[in-house]
Amino acid sequence: ETGVTQTPRHLVMGMTNKKSLKCEQHLGHNAMYWYKQSAKKPLELMFVYNFKEQTENNSVPSRFSPECPNSSHLFLHLHTLQPEDSALYLCASSQALNYGYTFGSGTRLTVV
Amino acid sequence: KNEVEQSPQNLTAQEGEFITINCSYSVGISALHWLQQHPGGGIVSLFMLSSGKKKHGRLIATINIQEKHSSLHITASHPRDSAVYTCAAHFGNEKLTFGTGTRLTIIP
Repeated sequence: ETGVTQTPRHLVMGMTNKKSLKCEQHLGHNAMYWYKQSAKKPLELMFVYNFKEQTENNSVPSRFSPECPNSSHLFLHLHTLQPEDSALYLCASSQALNYGYTFGSGTRLTVV
Repeated sequence: KNEVEQSPQNLTAQEGEFITINCSYSVGISALHWLQQHPGGGIVSLFMLSSGKKKHGRLIATINIQEKHSSLHITASHPRDSAVYTCAAHFGNEKLTFGTGTRLTIIP
């Protein structure tokens, strides 16, 4: 365990479904991130939260909606996804913005 | 433009061999990470470098600021070292820019 826990580990959803990914850290970190890892492509930053405030939205489609109720929890709400959204979604936290990252194990999402 | 290039993309070696993975970046950085991801596992930050060299067990990471280049070395490689290794760079105070990763396979 890295200290960053993501659930579920695997998720299969239809294009009309609504689901949520959860990320939890108890490392005392103040920044949390959502990344997307598609096959054979570098990690893509999606969202950044620092002290619960969103500091970056990297041109992510609105069918992905993040939520950060506190510094320890981060959610990614999914609705009306497309098959090309199938990927590994990684959560990370860091001691300070852009420093000292710890990554979760990811959620493998398949959109059918 | 902030770019990170990694080589090789795939590397297969026999157990015991010395492994080197290379990373080059386009402009000055404030720090560079080397990340490891085992099959089905999470991403672990092995090292974060801003200058010089860091060592942990059989892993060594070096960075040459003037040449804009970093290397990750594995001595006496072992099958459990098989993983994807990725370098990622902080350009100034901006978000990390990731290389495409190197898939390392160590054959017993």
